[in-house]
Amino acid sequence: GESVGLHLPTLSVQEGDNSIINCAYSNSASDYFIWYKQESGKGPQFIIDIRSNMDKRQGQRVTVLLNKTVKHLSLQIAATQPGDSAVYFCAENRRNTGFQKLVFGTGTRLLVSP
Amino acid sequence: SAVISQKPSRDICQRGTSLTIQCQVDSQVTMMFWYRQQPGQSLTLIATANQGSEATYESGFVIDKFPISRPNLTFSTLTVSNMSPEDSSIYLCSVEGGRRSGRLSDTQYFGPGTRLTVL
Repeated sequence: GESVGLHLPTLSVQEGDNSIINCAYSNSASDYFIWYKQESGKGPQFIIDIRSNMDKRQGQRVTVLLNKTVKHLSLQIAATQPGDSAVYFCAENRRNTGFQKLVFGTGTRLLVSP
Repeated sequence: SAVISQKPSRDICQRGTSLTIQCQVDSQVTMMFWYRQQPGQSLTLIATANQGSEATYESGFVIDKFPISRPNLTFSTLTVSNMSPEDSSIYLCSVEGGRRSGRLSDTQYFGPGTRLTVL
């Protein structure tokens, strides 16, 4: 079946480094992708989104890149801080009969050392 | 973004009992969803809570096990029935909150979750 998955389950970086979290998807019909951050004991928090007609989108310290040719999505975090430590999920937005359904990837845990 | 609250935040329950989880939003929303997040895993959609009609369940989830109510546009409940230890998870509600500044489309916002442990 179709799925959304991640290459790296855990990523450890030093404070100040740039972090790159990767995600693969397989549903070529999906037209919208979202990155969420989940801290321990909390619900997922929206970070950034991108449509399939875009290759790149930037936010505050974060950039999402989309490569539709290889069905690959990445989240780049600049100057990573200890507060960025969390689990990051990509989600694929599949529209069906007028409403959307999110399919989540397996998640990557980001550990930031001071 | 919409403020979403869930009750209870956590509970420990006995096998065979049922627990009803409440989700309250501070503004009217069209779409509300319920997810399950098993320990150390990702989120899986249980069902879409439809206002005024029966919920739409995903494959592998049934109404008898997870009855859902949606009496109005700001409130929904999920019941986990006849619980077993395998139901130990975090249960999350989300809402489709409409397009916000800087966002490309209607996206989902999540509540804080209810952490359920079944003994």
